[in-house]
Amino acid sequence: QVQLVESGGGVVQPGRSLRLSCAASGFPFSDYGMQWVRLAPGKGLEWVANIWNDGSKIYYADSVKGRFTGSRDSSKNMVSLQMNSLRAEDTAVYYCARSWGDHYFDYWGQGVLVTVAS
Amino acid sequence: QSALTQPPSASGSPGQSVTISCTGTGSDVGGYDYVSWYQHHPGKAPKFLIYEVNKRPSGVPDRFSGSKSGNTASLTVSGLQADDEADYYCSSYAGDYKWVFGGGTKLTVL
Repeated sequence: QVQLVESGGGVVQPGRSLRLSCAASGFPFSDYGMQWVRLAPGKGLEWVANIWNDGSKIYYADSVKGRFTGSRDSSKNMVSLQMNSLRAEDTAVYYCARSWGDHYFDYWGQGVLVTVAS
Repeated sequence: QSALTQPPSASGSPGQSVTISCTGTGSDVGGYDYVSWYQHHPGKAPKFLIYEVNKRPSGVPDRFSGSKSGNTASLTVSGLQADDEADYYCSSYAGDYKWVFGGGTKLTVL
């Protein structure tokens, strides 16, 4: 069955960097785009990044553009999110999700917590 | 891109029906039929419930249904069950390869 497992979360100071990873299994990884979505405390879900199935195109929310970089490694069935210049407002649980039908998120991981605090 | 507007809470008794609204603009909900809904039990992975406004993925009970009118989409949960108690989020394509979610609605089964 489809499994998505995020890792790499933790506590980091403002301005520092963190790299999240998501290990995918149970489906032909190269056939699917992948997404990052976050859930900040007391807020709703927020779309973060969309990575095409071949990694040729990556799109970002305005709130993270220029600071976050998405990537994927099809040899390892893994997608990553490099987060630089972190801010307190980036504190959230980060989920990776599989793209389906170009506009939907059909399978999600359990999420990983990122806390940005001094 | 601004978040879609959902009521913070909704409730109903077992067996009843509840409808959750999701209001956007002509640039997202009103402009595309790419509206979806997700169920989230805190601490677990969100679950895909509805796509393309009113279609259900395989395995989702027909107690869950979706609709849209203008800039507002809705999710109806019929025959409420205890396990339906969760947070529900709507999502819409917003153009230019961007997606927007709602603020979430906490559904309580009384």
